[in-house]
Amino acid sequence: QQQVKQSPQSLIVQKGGISIINCAYENTAFDYFPWYQQFPGKGPALLIAIRPDVSEKKEGRFTISFNKSAKQFSLHIMDSQPGDSATYFCAGSSTLGRLYFGRGTQLTVWP
Amino acid sequence: DAMVIQNPRYQVTQFGKPVTLSCSQTLNHNVMYWYQQKSSQAPKLLFHYYDKDFNNEADTPDNFQSRRPNTSFCFLDIRSPGLGDAAMYLCATSRGRETQYFGPGTRLLVL
Repeated sequence: QQQVKQSPQSLIVQKGGISIINCAYENTAFDYFPWYQQFPGKGPALLIAIRPDVSEKKEGRFTISFNKSAKQFSLHIMDSQPGDSATYFCAGSSTLGRLYFGRGTQLTVWP
Repeated sequence: DAMVIQNPRYQVTQFGKPVTLSCSQTLNHNVMYWYQQKSSQAPKLLFHYYDKDFNNEADTPDNFQSRRPNTSFCFLDIRSPGLGDAAMYLCATSRGRETQYFGPGTRLLVL
């Protein structure tokens, strides 16, 4: 059972545009929602994370929007750059920090 | 710099020939994880150690075992690799339930 559903699977955005990736979760025990960025041949790196007591968190060009009642959260990348081209994974975390990952979104930003 | 180190970065083995992947960390984190990531898929948790306590995921094949001789090191042993075990193997660490930090991964090829 997929505990975290992520869409779209792939996304193509023009440089300077806004990239939006959506995730939905089922497990109400999740209390930590990180986003990881992964470049080819590298391990995932934490990009930004949010807890459910906050509806939005912004770090530079990256913003997480969180809707607890709908059990949905999304990543917005403002002013997308070619260097942002990577695979993005959302995740939910419950006890012991066990992460349940979404399937990933492959983002391509055209120059 | 504190980090998660994985060796080797690339490993080629023969069908059925045991192989060991290693992970070390200088973060002094008490939790260590092993994930398997196949092409275009999300990382899949195989096991994790919370301090010395070993936690095996229910669907991790018996072919996979792990050792953690001390806080800094963790090993993944694949007793009889099959073609389906070809993947990227990621090690991650965390302090309790906090953020997980991933290593660069070991790409395993089974011939």
